[in-house]
Amino acid sequence: AIQLTQSPSSLSASIGDRVTITCRASQGISRAFAWYQQKPGRAPKLLIYDASSLDGGVPSRFSGSGSGTHFTLTISGLQPEDFATYYCQQVHTYPQTFGGGTKVEIK
Amino acid sequence: QVQLVESGGGVVQPGGSLRLSCAASGFSFSDFDIHWVRQAPGKGLEWVAFIRYDGSNKFYADSVKGRFPISRDNSKNTVYLQMNSLRGEDSAVYYCVQFGKALDVWGKGTTVIVSS
Repeated sequence: AIQLTQSPSSLSASIGDRVTITCRASQGISRAFAWYQQKPGRAPKLLIYDASSLDGGVPSRFSGSGSGTHFTLTISGLQPEDFATYYCQQVHTYPQTFGGGTKVEIK
Repeated sequence: QVQLVESGGGVVQPGGSLRLSCAASGFSFSDFDIHWVRQAPGKGLEWVAFIRYDGSNKFYADSVKGRFPISRDNSKNTVYLQMNSLRGEDSAVYYCVQFGKALDVWGKGTTVIVSS
């Protein structure tokens, strides 16, 4: 199975900060990659698909980039509602796999 | 609106079985692939299983292969996850998810607890 190494596992940031989360795949997966946001007690929500395409209704401060084995999620100007846990996922090969998650907390 | 509703969770002893159901509404169910994803308490997301829109193809995580067959009944807009030979590490919230661009639409989840 393709392994996804997500970093950092947690971070503290302030409102307005620029935040970057990275995910590395154990083998090349082209751009078959997604990012999700999860808040406590809620189901995850799709943010980014095809590595860089924003899902409908997702604020433009979220952006994704990368291809092959290295991917990033950037939040430009962190807002109070962005404090959550973020997961990466590869949809290139079965079994599909998730990264371990990044918890974004308030500094 | 597009909705997925899971049911069938509960408390079961190790070695026991449960069947989870996922009832879909608000979209053309037979056009979409469906996945199951689970999350153990305080842990990350784990992809579990997939079934193609017409039931012709299925894939499983290694952790559940041979124990959790997935099926669907497009006439009832429902996907099933039959969970056999349950273990403590199968305890989790199980989400049913519609795959469009990625895992687009998630249900609220159903909780499975495996405990003696």
